[in-house]
Amino acid sequence: GENVEQHPSTLSVQEGDSAVIKCTYSDSASNYFPWYKQELGKGPQLIIDIRSNVGEKKDQRIAVTLNKTAKHFSLHITETQPEDSAVYFCAAVPGSARQLTFGSGTQLTVLP
Amino acid sequence: DSGVTQTPKHLITATGQRVTLRCSPRSGDLSVYWYQQSLDQGLQFLIQYYNGEERAKGNILERFSAQQFPDLHSELNLSSLELGDSALYFCASSLSTGGGEKLFFGSGTQLSVL
Repeated sequence: GENVEQHPSTLSVQEGDSAVIKCTYSDSASNYFPWYKQELGKGPQLIIDIRSNVGEKKDQRIAVTLNKTAKHFSLHITETQPEDSAVYFCAAVPGSARQLTFGSGTQLTVLP
Repeated sequence: DSGVTQTPKHLITATGQRVTLRCSPRSGDLSVYWYQQSLDQGLQFLIQYYNGEERAKGNILERFSAQQFPDLHSELNLSSLELGDSALYFCASSLSTGGGEKLFFGSGTQLSVL
């Protein structure tokens, strides 16, 4: 089955700096890669997603890049703010399955 | 607010007991997914229902079962509970059943087995 690895597990940045979280996947047939943000006491919330026919997608301060050849994708957050502090999960949907396989999560802390 | 409602928010029970977790999907969504989140296992997919029928099964124990009712709400039943079943249980919903569907998560039920 699909295996998604996520790094780093924790990340601290100064407010205004950029943050990058990386994920690799194992199933070359995977075709959908969402990113979720989980704030304390809440469920994961979709913040951006990318499909395998696209290399990059941007939404304001958030961008995701996908390298199908290397089977990795990354989340980029620019001009970080304290409210960006949360746990971020990457995920992939294998070509043969319907359910998401999640990475292990990254605790992002934005220091004021 | 995702539109997905889970009850109860917290549940404390003893080993060997049985509990039921309830989920109401977003209006119009036909698929319901259950996930278990623990510190050492991350977000683990348990089971998916689409319009009342089971569609996919993940790492769900035989002691656990689920169903989706005609009004599309879903229940996850956990029986013969063990200490290791303590976790946060999330329900998510989506419009259809395709693999590229956007999932909307509820706020979860925190289960503590003592």
